Amino acid sequence: SQTIHQWPATLVQPVGSPLSLECTVEGTSNPNLYWYRQAAGRGLQLLFYSVGIGQISSEVPQNLSASRPQDRQFILSSKKLLLSDSGFYLCAWRLERWGGYTFGSGTRLTVV
Amino acid sequence: RKEVEQDPGPFNVPEGATVAFNCTYSNSASQSFFWYRQDCRKEPKLLMSVYSSGNEDGRFTAQLNRASQYISLLIRDSKLSDSATYLCVVNRGSYIPTFGRGTSLIVHP
Repeated sequence: SQTIHQWPATLVQPVGSPLSLECTVEGTSNPNLYWYRQAAGRGLQLLFYSVGIGQISSEVPQNLSASRPQDRQFILSSKKLLLSDSGFYLCAWRLERWGGYTFGSGTRLTVV
Repeated sequence: RKEVEQDPGPFNVPEGATVAFNCTYSNSASQSFFWYRQDCRKEPKLLMSVYSSGNEDGRFTAQLNRASQYISLLIRDSKLSDSATYLCVVNRGSYIPTFGRGTSLIVHP
């Protein structure tokens, strides 16, 4: 069966520090991968998606970047965090064209 | 107009009640639709897909109205455990999902 792993669960980082969040999917190949952010009391904002290795599409210009170095690995990064980067970061994957999206358990990031 | 709009609620209903949520979308070319459930401080989880002919899963019924561009979710015989936020998802193209901001449901004894 397919599983998605996301870590860490919680992170507190100072303003100006770098960020690296990792997401991996097991039990499948060539999934579509997504990074979302959910600010407190807000909806899910699509940040990046990828339909293949090395392919990244950005939905919102911001202080973040994403990479997909391997088929089932998706990384979200920042060189210098801002206070506004705080939020709940969720990785998701999808395989079939008409299938739903499966989320990882998320990383709750607080920038202080 | 936002791509996907939902009434944020909260919907406050007693146990056993029937409650319905609507979600409107702006892109007439949208291809697939889903309802998700999100518990407080947790990741969203797929509740059900939404098909043109309508579909049912136990106490939950989902419907799609392409002409009026909305999807609906009906929950019958509400349980305390149904309390959560319900998100509708509309696919823009074949793999770009847009989530609504969610409708909060509170089921009380």
